[in-house]
Amino acid sequence: DTGVSQDPRHKITKRGQNVTFRCDPISEHNRLYWYRQTLGQGPEFLTYFQNEAQLEKSRLLSDRFSAERPKGSFSTLEIQRTEQGDSAMYLCASSRGDSLIRHNEQFFGPGTRLTVL
Amino acid sequence: AQSVTQLGSHVSVSEGALVLLRCNYSSSVPPYLFWYVQYPNQGLQLLLKYTTGATLVKGINGFEAEFKKSETSFHLTKPSAHMSDAAEYFCAVTPRGKLTFGTGTRLQVTL
Repeated sequence: DTGVSQDPRHKITKRGQNVTFRCDPISEHNRLYWYRQTLGQGPEFLTYFQNEAQLEKSRLLSDRFSAERPKGSFSTLEIQRTEQGDSAMYLCASSRGDSLIRHNEQFFGPGTRLTVL
Repeated sequence: AQSVTQLGSHVSVSEGALVLLRCNYSSSVPPYLFWYVQYPNQGLQLLLKYTTGATLVKGINGFEAEFKKSETSFHLTKPSAHMSDAAEYFCAVTPRGKLTFGTGTRLQVTL
């Protein structure tokens, strides 16, 4: 299977702990997106990378959140000092990024469900 | 800026009945529009998209949507619902990159 994969699928942590999620995009895709989805809501954009460069960050991404894509392949999303409000599904998506004009379809991974106790 | 409004957080139809899920958008530039489906505990799967050209777009599983610029709408339809269509459906808009999603419509299909 060559789709987008995310690890872990589920994470339960205690408030104040740090957590890290990983996303492996489709291999030929150079754009990678992170979204957050809370219960009963649609996904909300967090940040995206073009290769290893982080090009945009949402205001939702507080200073406790950091994302990296060091070699332009997989990406990690770290949340420090987790709060109960961080409980959500964290979705990763990837796409080709060969045009500033044409939108390229984003393919989504299965998500990581975070529960903060 | 872009935004999406999905009218009706829950829609219930009988198997074999018409499915109509409503989506209105706001965009400061010509939009690209999408419908995604999400099954429980899974990621999102693209049903169909409008970029340019024909305003009636056909997608997977018998779904289609029509882009109506004058009404700023992109409603999703399917002539005959199947039990397997029960899921959460999201409308999304983008200028050319990050997606802005609506709050979703949960479709229930009854016998």
